[in-house]
Amino acid sequence: DTAVSQTPKYLVTQMGNDKSIKCEQNLGHDTMYWYKQDSKKFLKIMFSYNNKELIINETVPNRFSPKSPDKAHLNLHINSLELGDSAVYFCASSQSLALDTQYFGPGTRLTVL
Amino acid sequence: AQSVTQLDSHVSVSEGTPVLLRCNYSSSYSPSLFWYVQHPNKGLQLLLKYTSAATLVKGINGFEAEFKKSETSFHLTKPSAHMSDAAEYFCVVTSFTDKLIFGTGTRLQVFP
Repeated sequence: DTAVSQTPKYLVTQMGNDKSIKCEQNLGHDTMYWYKQDSKKFLKIMFSYNNKELIINETVPNRFSPKSPDKAHLNLHINSLELGDSAVYFCASSQSLALDTQYFGPGTRLTVL
Repeated sequence: AQSVTQLDSHVSVSEGTPVLLRCNYSSSYSPSLFWYVQHPNKGLQLLLKYTSAATLVKGINGFEAEFKKSETSFHLTKPSAHMSDAAEYFCVVTSFTDKLIFGTGTRLQVFP
C-alpha cells in the first residue's frame, strides 16, 4: 500500500486555469505538508496542517489554497495558474512535529503553458 | 534562523569507492539534521536523522553521517558506492519550528 499518494502525477494546463492536486496518507499521521520543488531542484515548504488546522503558511501567493477535509487528506487548489507555478509539488506527512520523519509522496509535476 | 549549505552541487565517484557529500548548517538553537535522497522522478526518502543523541548516525543503505558541532557540519558518507546510489541528496535542518529547511542538493553520479 502506498503510504502517501498524490494525484495526478502529471498535470499540463494553460495559464489562467484553476487546478487541484490531491494528497492522501494512510499512515494515521496528524501533520501534512505541501512542498514546491523548482526546476533547480530547490525544495521549499508551502503549507503544513496539523489535525486539519493550518500551522505553516509560507509566503505563498493567495492563488494557492490548501484544504484539509480530514486528517488523512490535504489538497492543493491553485487559481489563475501562471508560468512560474510550473514545478513539482510534493505532499508529505509526519506523526506530529517536523522533528518526526516526514514521508513524501511521489510528486506531481505541474507544467503551465 | 536556520540554513544549510551543501558544498558540492555534483559529486562523481566510481562504483566501490567511498562517497562523501558535504553539508554545513547554521542554527540559533540545537538543530535536528536529516539527509534525504531523491531518485530520478521519485519522491524523497529519509536516509538518516540526527536529533541530539549519538553524534554518529547510521542510516539505510550503508550511509552514515557525523554531527560535528565545532565545525557545524553534518557530512554524509558511505564506504563503498553502488550504482543504485546515484540520486539527488538533500541535507535538511530544523529546530523548534515545524519547518524543514532544505539545502540545494547534491547530485551523486556513480560510474561503473
